[in-house]
Amino acid sequence: ETGVTQTPRHLVMGMTNKKSLKCEQHLGHNAMYWYKQSAKKPLELMFVYSLEERVENNSVPSRFSPECPNSSHLFLHLHTLQPEDSALYLCASSHRTGGENGELFFGEGSRLTVL
Amino acid sequence: SQQGEEDPQALSIQEGENATMNCSYKTSINNLQWYRQNSGRGLVHLILIRSNEREKHSGRLRVTLDTSKKSSSLLITASRAADTASYFCATDMEGGSEKLVFGKGTKLTVNP
Repeated sequence: ETGVTQTPRHLVMGMTNKKSLKCEQHLGHNAMYWYKQSAKKPLELMFVYSLEERVENNSVPSRFSPECPNSSHLFLHLHTLQPEDSALYLCASSHRTGGENGELFFGEGSRLTVL
Repeated sequence: SQQGEEDPQALSIQEGENATMNCSYKTSINNLQWYRQNSGRGLVHLILIRSNEREKHSGRLRVTLDTSKKSSSLLITASRAADTASYFCATDMEGGSEKLVFGKGTKLTVNP
């Protein structure tokens, strides 16, 4: 139990569906992240929120839309996805101080399959 | 281009042996971190070493950092079958970037 909870753990959706992934952290951290993990590729950073403000958007297609309503919750809204978007989506949180990134605490991930 | 790159990509050893994984990176860093991931699960932080540190220990783990060579190594001593997992290095680049950059990982298999 890392203190970061992701739901759902598994999601199957068609290309025309709209769904959302949810992440919640109970660690009092001030930064939250979405990462994408595909087979045989490095972990890809998608979005970073620091103090609820988006500070990084790594050229992610607009069919992925993040939302951070408060420092404990992070969502990833999905619509009109493609089969190549099938992957493990990992949420993480951390405490950033003085411009340095500390350790990340990851959730267990949401395994997404797009048909 | 990738910041952190682990070597080897895969490693298979017998229980009781030591496992060594290496990570090379390209730019100056604040710190370097090692993570472990069991198949299909989230990553778990193992150890963080700062740029002014050369070696760090945690239980059966030993991490070294050579900033002149821009490389780090993770040694797991007296390995167990439960150590079977993928291991990733992540670099926190100097300059206050908001992100850690991960490598592709080393897949370690420890045979009983």
